[in-house]
Amino acid sequence: AQSVTQLGSHVSVSEGALVLLRCNYSSSVPPYLFWYVQYPNQGLQLLLKYTTGATLVKGINGFEAEFKKSETSFHLTKPSAHMSDAAEYFCAVKVNSGYALNFGKGTSLLVTP
Amino acid sequence: DGGITQSPKYLFRKEGQNVTLSCEQNLNHDAMYWYRQDPGQGLRLIYYSQIVNDFQKGDIAEGYSVSREKKESFPLTVTSAQKNPTAFYLCASSIQGGGGETQYFGPGTRLLVL
Repeated sequence: AQSVTQLGSHVSVSEGALVLLRCNYSSSVPPYLFWYVQYPNQGLQLLLKYTTGATLVKGINGFEAEFKKSETSFHLTKPSAHMSDAAEYFCAVKVNSGYALNFGKGTSLLVTP
Repeated sequence: DGGITQSPKYLFRKEGQNVTLSCEQNLNHDAMYWYRQDPGQGLRLIYYSQIVNDFQKGDIAEGYSVSREKKESFPLTVTSAQKNPTAFYLCASSIQGGGGETQYFGPGTRLLVL
């Protein structure tokens, strides 16, 4: 079975500072990895995903993530936080033989002026 | 515009009542999913369907039922057997069920118990 751990249920950064949201996964087979963002009372929107190939993945809104197999990590970063980045972020893992996404518990990002 | 619609946005359930949440997609996707979201717990899979007239239980199917009579539609019924139904319910779809296909989510339905 595969699972996801997101370190830090709440992260606070200043506007313009680096955003780093941590995600570690466990999987016995090569995983597919996803980051989604959720604004209050809305559905989830895909930020980026890793399937195969290049381990540094670029997504929307200036976010990127790097798949590190040796560390079983898929941390999400953005060089400069914007007020509009304040939201809940979910990391998810999936394997080729499965159908459902296994989600982490989420990290709430607060951006302060 | 292609997308996933869920209705209603808010739903109130009386004790002992069954309620049905609607999910419709016009993306021509084969696979559809229902997730439940509780604060601080992420999303958990209730049911999924890879094709019309077929569906499978997820991790927390007890107290829920689904049908898939049309490709576009995947309604979820919360039965009276679900003793703690208050949650945010999200429907999703993907082109196919397997592999690294992206799941696209609807706007959600918030279910509250009176």
